[in-house]
Amino acid sequence: QKEVEQDPGPLSVPEGAIVSLNCTYSNSAFQYFMWYRQYSRKGPELLMYTYSSGNKEDGRFTAQVDKSSKYISLFIRDSQPSDSATYLCAMSEGSGTYKYIFGTGTRLKVLA
Amino acid sequence: NAGVTQTPKFQVLKTGQSMTLQCAQDMNHEYMSWYRQDPGMGLRLIHYSVGAGITDQGEVPNGYNVSRSTTEDFPLRLLSAAPSQTSVYFCASSSVSSNQPQHFGDGTRLSIL
Repeated sequence: QKEVEQDPGPLSVPEGAIVSLNCTYSNSAFQYFMWYRQYSRKGPELLMYTYSSGNKEDGRFTAQVDKSSKYISLFIRDSQPSDSATYLCAMSEGSGTYKYIFGTGTRLKVLA
Repeated sequence: NAGVTQTPKFQVLKTGQSMTLQCAQDMNHEYMSWYRQDPGMGLRLIHYSVGAGITDQGEVPNGYNVSRSTTEDFPLRLLSAAPSQTSVYFCASSSVSSNQPQHFGDGTRLSIL
């Protein structure tokens, strides 16, 4: 079993829809949770990160962490065609110098 | 502000050839790392460094060497390329003191024939 599981998609939604992207993990020592967005032929770009359980909001994006269930989510409200990308979850036992474990990524397509 | 810069962007090698992938960052980050990204496998850590002169192995280090002589640069060397090393390689960096996540370059796409 992989330490981090992520549905690869692809996920297609109409413009304006609410998108839910999810990851599950098995290592209870993970304390630091990140979401990266990756456009085709580009590097991962940090979207959000959080240390704690609960919700963190940034514009149209909300990151949710449930440590008791070992489950994290990224919600995108009012999705736009420009949100079409691959979304990677990543987690680690600490920030900065700790080793990151990545999910395989979910490919999202927002249809105009 | 250039961030993390990787060169070259694309490279084709023959089996057995050697090459160095370059990574430079201008953010004075202590931590630098190399990942490879393969379909269905996600990003996997190859080597990392927490400062000049200090390197360590990640999850998939075999076939790769690194060194860190300056804060800014962290090259990745393939000593004898194999087809299994065909992949997209990403370099990342972060500041130890600021507790911020890693920032990535745009990658090097490497094909080994």
